[in-house]
Amino acid sequence: GENVEQHPSTLSVQEGDSAVIKCTYSDSASNYFPWYKQELGKRPQLIIDIRSNVGEKKDQRIAVTLNKTAKHFSLHITETQPEDSAVYFCAASINDKIIFGKGTRLHILP
Amino acid sequence: SQTIHQWPATLVQPVGSPLSLECTVEGTSNPNLYWYRQAAGRGLQLLFYSVGIGQISSEVPQNLSASRPQDRQFILSSKKLLLSDSGFYLCAWSVLVGTYEQYFGPGTRLTVT
Repeated sequence: GENVEQHPSTLSVQEGDSAVIKCTYSDSASNYFPWYKQELGKRPQLIIDIRSNVGEKKDQRIAVTLNKTAKHFSLHITETQPEDSAVYFCAASINDKIIFGKGTRLHILP
Repeated sequence: SQTIHQWPATLVQPVGSPLSLECTVEGTSNPNLYWYRQAAGRGLQLLFYSVGIGQISSEVPQNLSASRPQDRQFILSSKKLLLSDSGFYLCAWSVLVGTYEQYFGPGTRLTVT
């Protein structure tokens, strides 16, 4: 069935270090992969996305990579800062909807 | 620019009472509309989505229902709330054709007592 697996569920990194969150998806027809950031009590915000015709996309300290053969995609945050602390969700498109992973709680340690 | 509204922002309802949550989108036509529920500390569960007026797809069988009476209005309802219906309800929209970016409303925090 339609499924997006996300790991790890919790991640703690020292401020200034890098953080990597990984996701896998099940439907080979998926062609759009967004990442959302949700701060406590707030709505999820789209931070970056990638489509199946590219393998990597970067926006300042954030980058996403996609391996369609393996059905893997990842979020990379470099030079982490305290404001990066939040829950991050990956997702994959399935027809007219998007299926979300269960989320990764990222803690940035001082 | 597009704006999405949800109300109420917070709601406390007793078990067995009815529910009506409303979502409206401004600045776009014929959007895809979605209802998600997020239990405390959990992920985003897709409840319903709609690709047009009167067209509703249900993802999870439960005591909730959705309706789309107008192009940019999406309503989530229940006749009798359960304790397990507590959560953060998020409405989202996306452009129908050519792109899948979804943008979320501010959410309604529902507590069933």
